[in-house]
Amino acid sequence: AQSVTQLDSQVPVFEEAPVELRCNYSSSVSVYLFWYVQYPNQGLQLLLKYLSGSTLVESINGFEAEFNKSQTSFHLRKPSVHISDTAEYFCAVSENNNDMRFGAGTRLTVKP
Amino acid sequence: EAEVAQSPRYKITEKSQAVAFWCDPISGHATLYWYRQILGQGPELLVQFQDESVVDDSQLPKDRFSAERLKGVDSTLKIQPAELGDSAMYLCASRDRLRWGELFFGEGSRLTVL
Repeated sequence: AQSVTQLDSQVPVFEEAPVELRCNYSSSVSVYLFWYVQYPNQGLQLLLKYLSGSTLVESINGFEAEFNKSQTSFHLRKPSVHISDTAEYFCAVSENNNDMRFGAGTRLTVKP
Repeated sequence: EAEVAQSPRYKITEKSQAVAFWCDPISGHATLYWYRQILGQGPELLVQFQDESVVDDSQLPKDRFSAERLKGVDSTLKIQPAELGDSAMYLCASRDRLRWGELFFGEGSRLTVL
């Protein structure tokens, strides 16, 4: 079965600095990959997804993630973060059209 | 904007008592999920429904947990009897059958077992 490892439980950064949240997965078959975000006191919401095609996917608020099959990674990046990006970020993987497994999450704290 | 509704938001109970959580997915979403999220961990799938049928309940502790979605719309997750280790956030999510991977989550029900 598939599994997800988020390598950092907490990432503190200053506003306007770049950030990378790391995600590695384990699977014996082709996978679909996702990043979800949970803002304080809100439910999880989809940030971006990789299903097929271009290995670089982008969100509407400036985040991007790159699927690297050889390294089994799907790291999330943003070149310049804002205070409003403070949230918990979850990487998720699915091997089929149903099951979705989540990582433990990375808490991103953006400081002024 | 359509949302996934969950209730109650918070529940405090004593061990050995019964608890129930309710979820109303976004209208038209055939797929419904219940996840459990223990503090500091990611969501763990408990059960998945496609319409009124259970697709996956392999991680559901069936000796004490049960879930139903009788009419293929709203769903109830029950715990009886509750144990201390059940303290967690219980999340409901739904998905349109055509929009693969995009789960819409409710705000969750936080359970504290004393």
